[in-house]
Amino acid sequence: EAGVTQFPSHSVIEKGQTVTLRCDPISGHDNLYWYRRVMGKEIKFLLHFVKESKQDESGMPNNRFLAERTGGTYSTLKVQPAELEDSGVYFCASSPILGAPGDTQYFGPGTRLTVL
Amino acid sequence: AQSVAQPEDQVNVAEGNPLTVKCTYSVSGNPYLFWYVQYPNRGLQFLLKYITGDNLVKGSYGFEAEFNKSQTSFHLKKPSALVSDSALYFCAVRDGTNAGKSTFGDGTTLTVKP
Repeated sequence: EAGVTQFPSHSVIEKGQTVTLRCDPISGHDNLYWYRRVMGKEIKFLLHFVKESKQDESGMPNNRFLAERTGGTYSTLKVQPAELEDSGVYFCASSPILGAPGDTQYFGPGTRLTVL
Repeated sequence: AQSVAQPEDQVNVAEGNPLTVKCTYSVSGNPYLFWYVQYPNRGLQFLLKYITGDNLVKGSYGFEAEFNKSQTSFHLKKPSALVSDSALYFCAVRDGTNAGKSTFGDGTTLTVKP
């Protein structure tokens, strides 16, 4: 079974530019999550999709971040315009079972974003 | 609100010795606790979890963790460390009121020396 994949693995952009990150969850997983780790600190929750619907977007830092999951398959996270403090590692995770807090979330390798 | 504390940024042990990576948590409801490991240039890998039942949970690569409700702790342990266990370890918690959102600690870097 293929795991969660993320693209690109690294991205270096200038402040003010736009970047789009992509996540492909494990096939059949309805739940998709975005997290990020900034400056070597804790991994912070950004948002949770159930199929194509946003279940919880309480962690999205501001309106420069836009996440989509059209068709309930892969997801994109767009940052526009990027700021220096957006630098970090963006992780995507997926899980199969709806509404189960004990459900394991499986993580992708992450996208390392550097904003100069 | 939920939170996780990993009090040690760095843990150093000699190969063959037992290791412990500490984690304490705070949740308003029943805790669902997880340990993940991140090897260099790799993503997070699931190690083990506590949902309910036996307080001692066994996971991948010989790791285990003990849930202690009175001390609100979920320390990760291994009886005999390997050099290949050197990695970054994250503890995470969820409660029953929000099935999706995991709260992570800052991570602990484990170094096992030959």
